[in-house]
Amino acid sequence: RKEVEQDPGPFNVPEGATVAFNCTYSNSASQSFFWYRQDCRKEPKLLMSVYSSGNEDGRFTAQLNRASQYISLLIRDSKLSDSATYLCVVRQFSGGYNKLIFGAGTRLAVHP
Amino acid sequence: GAGVSQSPSNKVTEKGKDVELRCDPISGHTALYWYRQSLGQGLEFLIYFQGNSAPDKSGLPSDRFSAERTGGSVSTLTIQRTQQEDSAVYLCASSLGGGGAFFGQGTRLTVV
Repeated sequence: RKEVEQDPGPFNVPEGATVAFNCTYSNSASQSFFWYRQDCRKEPKLLMSVYSSGNEDGRFTAQLNRASQYISLLIRDSKLSDSATYLCVVRQFSGGYNKLIFGAGTRLAVHP
Repeated sequence: GAGVSQSPSNKVTEKGKDVELRCDPISGHTALYWYRQSLGQGLEFLIYFQGNSAPDKSGLPSDRFSAERTGGSVSTLTIQRTQQEDSAVYLCASSLGGGGAFFGQGTRLTVV
């Protein structure tokens, strides 16, 4: 079983739609959580951290459920520029190392 | 600059040659990561440095791969006797403490 699992998609949505991505992680000792976006042939870029209380940044809302080991990202009012791959990332402290574990990503395509 | 800097941005090498890839992390960041990404694939963890501790080398695919981080700053990833399957984008990231990591633009390595 992968340490961080995501639905690969693609999610094809029209402009203005609301879309949600989910992610599950296997290690209950995971400490912190992030969403990244990666555009085609570009490096991943940090989108937002994820907190247990939930957090919002403009059209983006992230949620963490530690009991279920589940992370979500909600995008409201989708724009064409939101088209990208969204990576779920978990930080784990194990064996003296503080590792960042990346999911394989969920691809989003927003169309006119 | 303020971000993570990698060089070269592109490298074409002949099979069997050695290559060195360089990463300049964000000043003051104690953690440095190397990942690689093949076309259309997710990020593959290679190695992680944290301060002056011994690095986590668990992701290095073979003994042809090695990395150093001098003075807690600049890192060099060396691939000896390159093979065609080493062709990928090599990404470096740095972080401070438990926060998210910031990536450089990567080195695109092509082994011919």
